[in-house]
Amino acid sequence: DTAVSQTPKYLVTQMGNDKSIKCEQNLGHDTMYWYKQDSKKFLKIMFSYNNKELIINETVPNRFSPKSPDKAHLNLHINSLELGDSAVYFCASRPGLGQGLAKNIQYFGAGTRLSVL
Amino acid sequence: GDSVTQMEGPVTLSEEAFLTINCTYTATGYPSLFWYVQYPGEGLQLLLKATKADDKGSNKGFEATYRKETTSFHLEKGSVQVSDSAVYFCSFGNEKLTFGTGTRLTIIP
Repeated sequence: DTAVSQTPKYLVTQMGNDKSIKCEQNLGHDTMYWYKQDSKKFLKIMFSYNNKELIINETVPNRFSPKSPDKAHLNLHINSLELGDSAVYFCASRPGLGQGLAKNIQYFGAGTRLSVL
Repeated sequence: GDSVTQMEGPVTLSEEAFLTINCTYTATGYPSLFWYVQYPGEGLQLLLKATKADDKGSNKGFEATYRKETTSFHLEKGSVQVSDSAVYFCSFGNEKLTFGTGTRLTIIP
């Protein structure tokens, strides 16, 4: 079973559209993340949620809105898509305090490649 | 601010060659250090980690030692294989990870 799964794997859309990317983890972790990887492979954190609460927001435009219905899911909704949003988006999860010695290790999904035309 | 500087790629080596990918960091305190690897079309996977000074992380023949005095965490492997071709990311942190820009490694037979 896939530990961190993202859907869709590929997303091609027009400028101005609204789209969502879903992420689910079956590891029982408390903390989840969204990262953006640009065309040069630079990886930058966007958001982090711990037990459904936002704990990191790295000055991402408010067109990006994460939503965590429960601690196993962290979805990313993007409004009014722009060309510069084209990237690969990675979801990740991490154990929280009290969940074991490996609490600093993050587990990544396979990524969603978003192309805005 | 916090940052990671790693060797710019791409790096191309012949099979069985010795590999070093340099990584230095600027951070407050003494964070955990990591190397992640991204194989083509996949997400990042943890390759190895070290949590305190002088710790050596190792996995799949790769090694890196946490050097507090030089704030470095260089990745090494004695004999690379074609299957090691991937992008390697140095990172550090605890709740929040800061990543380097990645080094693309290609191993040719």
